[in-house]
Amino acid sequence: DGGITQSPKYLFRKEGQNVTLSCEQNLNHDAMYWYRQDPGQGLRLIYYSQIVNDFQKGDIAEGYSVSREKKESFPLTVTSAQKNPTAFYLCAGLSANTGELFFGEGSRLTVL
Amino acid sequence: AQRVTQPEKLLSVFKGAPVELKCNYSYSGSPELFWYVQYSRQRLQLLLRHISRESIKGFTADLNKGETSFHLKKPFAQEEDSAMYYCALRAGYIPTFGRGTSLIVHP
Repeated sequence: DGGITQSPKYLFRKEGQNVTLSCEQNLNHDAMYWYRQDPGQGLRLIYYSQIVNDFQKGDIAEGYSVSREKKESFPLTVTSAQKNPTAFYLCAGLSANTGELFFGEGSRLTVL
Repeated sequence: AQRVTQPEKLLSVFKGAPVELKCNYSYSGSPELFWYVQYSRQRLQLLLRHISRESIKGFTADLNKGETSFHLKKPFAQEEDSAMYYCALRAGYIPTFGRGTSLIVHP
């Protein structure tokens, strides 16, 4: 099995704490993405990475950070600066051949 | 800047009825357009892309550049079609999604 693997599925955090969401892929995708999914708002792009050691801010990057030290891994850190972090987070990889996005199962973060 | 608009948050139909989920886009270049679907408790997955012009699970979508639309259609809805549907546009490395339409098919 494989594809895009996100962990943990569920995460609870106290206010003021940073938390890191893991995203791993074995599809050999160069480009990877983090989206935030909220009811009625669709998918909003947080960060994306076209290639190792490079990443760009998306539409709602404030309060988030990422790294891309390896092709297989694209972790997202939700910092204490993010004002409304409770959400469902989706990681995806892009097939360069077809333009299709492959998604993970998502991580649901709840701030208590 | 690219933009994708799905005007309906919710579409409710009875089994066997035709279904059309609307998608309009704004983009100055030649777009690549996609429909993604998220069934309950499953991950978001590709339903179809305009470039392949195929029919998946009875769904079709035609790109209308004049009206800048990419509506998703199915002549006879089934209960298993109930899901969240997202229209997406890809320009370069940045895919942009609409807000999604929840389709409910009643028995």
